[in-house]
Amino acid sequence: QPGLTQPPSVSKGLRQTATLTCTGNSNNIGTLGAAWLQQHQGHPPKILSYRNDKRPSGISDRFSASRSGNTASLTITELQPEDEADYYCSAWDSGPGGYVFGTGTKVTVV
Amino acid sequence: EVQLLESGGGLVQPGGSLRLSCATSGFSFSSYGMNWVRQAPGKGLEWISHISVSGGEMLYAGSVKGRFTISKDNADNSLSLQMNSLRPEDTAIYYCTTDADGDLDFEYWGQGTLVTVSS
Repeated sequence: QPGLTQPPSVSKGLRQTATLTCTGNSNNIGTLGAAWLQQHQGHPPKILSYRNDKRPSGISDRFSASRSGNTASLTITELQPEDEADYYCSAWDSGPGGYVFGTGTKVTVV
Repeated sequence: EVQLLESGGGLVQPGGSLRLSCATSGFSFSSYGMNWVRQAPGKGLEWISHISVSGGEMLYAGSVKGRFTISKDNADNSLSLQMNSLRPEDTAIYYCTTDADGDLDFEYWGQGTLVTVSS
């Protein structure tokens, strides 16, 4: 089934702001919203946001998510070295009836 | 403390079978649906299967439909994935993760178990 499209990489300086995008369609992000997950090398993913803009307890407010039409976005402010990771978006796709993940964006803090 | 612990991975020949298990504790397992998500070496995440809270509804990605079977034991707080007719492209780390029916999905994850399909 088709996935969600993310840019392969984003590189920003320490304490800068990075904005990641995730493009889907009206069967997934456009209707049911998106979630964002962070994955450090060698570890399982960790949920950062859900239902477009909700943040689970314990997640830093430096991470904020939003949605506009069929595109979801994750903004990371005040970038820290520990923010270097792979970031995936996810959404339920009503077409095939299942979850789809984004292709992933590798964030590098320089 | 919430814990999800996958087991059952290993090396299997193409065409073979494996059964993965996910033992859980620390949360109300019977109130959650569950998912299996896999990640091939160096690749992204791929959702492969979902089971509803009661275990009565199962969904599969096209890549595994007809070969994999998901099941849930609410009495034992455990999740399973029976994998048949395995292919080299099934080689991946397999994670179990929770589902909250469109709310806080993917809240809890296990550490994963590696399945390698090779002759």
